[in-house]
Amino acid sequence: DIQLTQSPSFLSASVGDRVTITCRASQGISSYLAWYQQKPGKAPKLLIYAASTLQSGVPSRFSGSGSGTEFTLTISSLQPEDFATYYCQQLNRWTFGQGTKVEIK
Amino acid sequence: QVTLRESGPALVKPTQTLTLTCTFSGFSLSTSGMCVSWIRQPPGKALEWLALIDWDDDKYYSTSLKTRLTISKDTSKNQVVLTMTNMDPVDTATYYCARIPTGSPYWYFDLWGRGTLVTVSS
Repeated sequence: DIQLTQSPSFLSASVGDRVTITCRASQGISSYLAWYQQKPGKAPKLLIYAASTLQSGVPSRFSGSGSGTEFTLTISSLQPEDFATYYCQQLNRWTFGQGTKVEIK
Repeated sequence: QVTLRESGPALVKPTQTLTLTCTFSGFSLSTSGMCVSWIRQPPGKALEWLALIDWDDDKYYSTSLKTRLTISKDTSKNQVVLTMTNMDPVDTATYYCARIPTGSPYWYFDLWGRGTLVTVSS
């Protein structure tokens, strides 16, 4: 099975910071990757699919890039509502990364 | 408006079989390309994909759990059912169902239910 490894697992940042989260796949997955945001006690919310396509209604400060085995999620200017845990997911067999928790510095 | 809602027992005993139902509205699983999936999340841990069923009744299972899982659909009732056998305390988790929309070669989960917490304990 394809494994996804996110880094870092934990990130401390301030409002306004540019934040980048990396997701590495154990095998090439082309652009078959999605990113989700999850807040405590809530279901995950889709942010990006096909590695770089922004889901409708998601703010443009979120962006995704990459293909093959290395992918990134970037938040250009962190907002208070962005403090959450972020997961990548490969879209061949739908496994998830272990998550990256973004906390307030 | 598209909604999904998970239902099932909040507490099951070890070795029992868990049956969860995802009831949805606003779309039909008979529509070509549409799928529904189950995902779980143990308290404080990461998401784990479990199973997926598509409009054509093709079924996909997590490699590590496939011997314990069965997914099925009732298109007339707008429901997808997941059964998991031989429950263990490590299966304690919030169980989510999610929709995969039609029209894309990328099978991503665009809408999720609120989840249902299942605790496994004697």
